[in-house]
Amino acid sequence: KAGVTQTPRYLIKTRGQQVTLSCSPISGHRSVSWYQQTPGQGLQFLFEYFSETQRNKGNFPGRFSGRQFSNSRSEMNVSTLELGDSALYLCASSIAALSYNEQFFGPGTRLTVL
Amino acid sequence: DQQVKQNSPSLSVQEGRISILNCDYTNSMFDYFLWYKKYPAEGPTFLISISSIKDKNEDGRFTVFLNKSAKHLSLHIVPSQPGDSAVYFCAASESGGGADGLTFGKGTHLIIQP
Repeated sequence: KAGVTQTPRYLIKTRGQQVTLSCSPISGHRSVSWYQQTPGQGLQFLFEYFSETQRNKGNFPGRFSGRQFSNSRSEMNVSTLELGDSALYLCASSIAALSYNEQFFGPGTRLTVL
Repeated sequence: DQQVKQNSPSLSVQEGRISILNCDYTNSMFDYFLWYKKYPAEGPTFLISISSIKDKNEDGRFTVFLNKSAKHLSLHIVPSQPGDSAVYFCAASESGGGADGLTFGKGTHLIIQP
């Protein structure tokens, strides 16, 4: 069974640009959560999608948005990039919503904002 | 305001001995706690969890203890093995996910010395 895949793995952008990251969950998983990992703040929850609906959203500005498609694949978008958005963005999938103990993480997308 | 705190950024333990990783939380609404393990260049992997109705949960070499009155939990690894060298994250959630989904500590880097 294939794991959670994230594309691209590495990305370099400049301030003011926007970026879209993609996450393909494990087959059969309908929940996808996104997290941001930075050295200063650690791992922070961004949002969770289940059956194409956003279930929860963390404390991030509106520049961070996401969506989920009918095949459970998810994208997150960051507009008007800032230097502080440089981070490892992780997505995780699970069969059901809020199933944190059954959540499988992808390897992450490393975003660098110059 | 950090709701989940791991005060030791790193911990070095000799192979075969016990590793004890600590985690404190401030939000009394948290009722489900998890530990994740993360190797470099990989996403976190779920290790063990505990519900607030319990004070101990054991899974092989891993045991998590919860002290609700002190708002403290700890992960014990016995005996420690070289493959246990990784970053360990403590995480907490409220019933129904709460507003912030899963809240993580900043991690403790465990180094197992041969």
